[in-house]
Amino acid sequence: AQKVTQAQTEISVVEKEDVTLDCVYETRDTTYYLFWYKQPPSGELVFLIRRNSFDEQNEISGRYSWNFQKSTSSFNFTITASQVVDSAVYFCALLLAGGTSYGKLTFGQGTILTVHP
Amino acid sequence: KAGVTQTPRYLIKTRGQQVTLSCSPISGHRSVSWYQQTPGQGLQFLFEYFSETQRNKGNFPGRFSGRQFSNSRSEMNVSTLELGDSALYLCASSPTRSSYEQYFGPGTRLTVT
Repeated sequence: AQKVTQAQTEISVVEKEDVTLDCVYETRDTTYYLFWYKQPPSGELVFLIRRNSFDEQNEISGRYSWNFQKSTSSFNFTITASQVVDSAVYFCALLLAGGTSYGKLTFGQGTILTVHP
Repeated sequence: KAGVTQTPRYLIKTRGQQVTLSCSPISGHRSVSWYQQTPGQGLQFLFEYFSETQRNKGNFPGRFSGRQFSNSRSEMNVSTLELGDSALYLCASSPTRSSYEQYFGPGTRLTVT
């Protein structure tokens, strides 16, 4: 069975600090997708990024960057120069490709990020 | 394009009652998945519907059921509500089963008293 672990339950930083959210996953499948979602207090899960298991290129989008390393089964997320609006719960998730796994995201427990002004 | 919509947004029910939640996917999306979010168990997959058929199911009791209509709208039903069913129920839509994208709605917060 697959599993996603987010080691940090809560992180508190001051505005403009950089912060990295860790995500480690377990699966025996070779084809899979990894996601990061943001959940603000309103409750909706906001899609941030999706990577497939064959694409280990790191990605940067504005202040966000992601580091995918298959060798360590990690998919870490960094926010540079954090802002108060980044305060939310962040989820890492795994989706296996095909078969009986369609539509079935496995989520980590989430990391509560609080950015103080 | 409008996003995923879920109704109602908030619901209070009494133990033993049944409840129906509704999800309208993004226009053109044909796959709908449902998730339950609780403080103790986190986000857990309930089931996935595609072409009006349940294609995948999580580890939930038979009290949890759903259906999908020809316009891809989906409903989930929980019968004989228990206190532990209090949760945020999230619906996600995807263009097809193999697109591996999931866009979430705002959720329905169900409170069972």
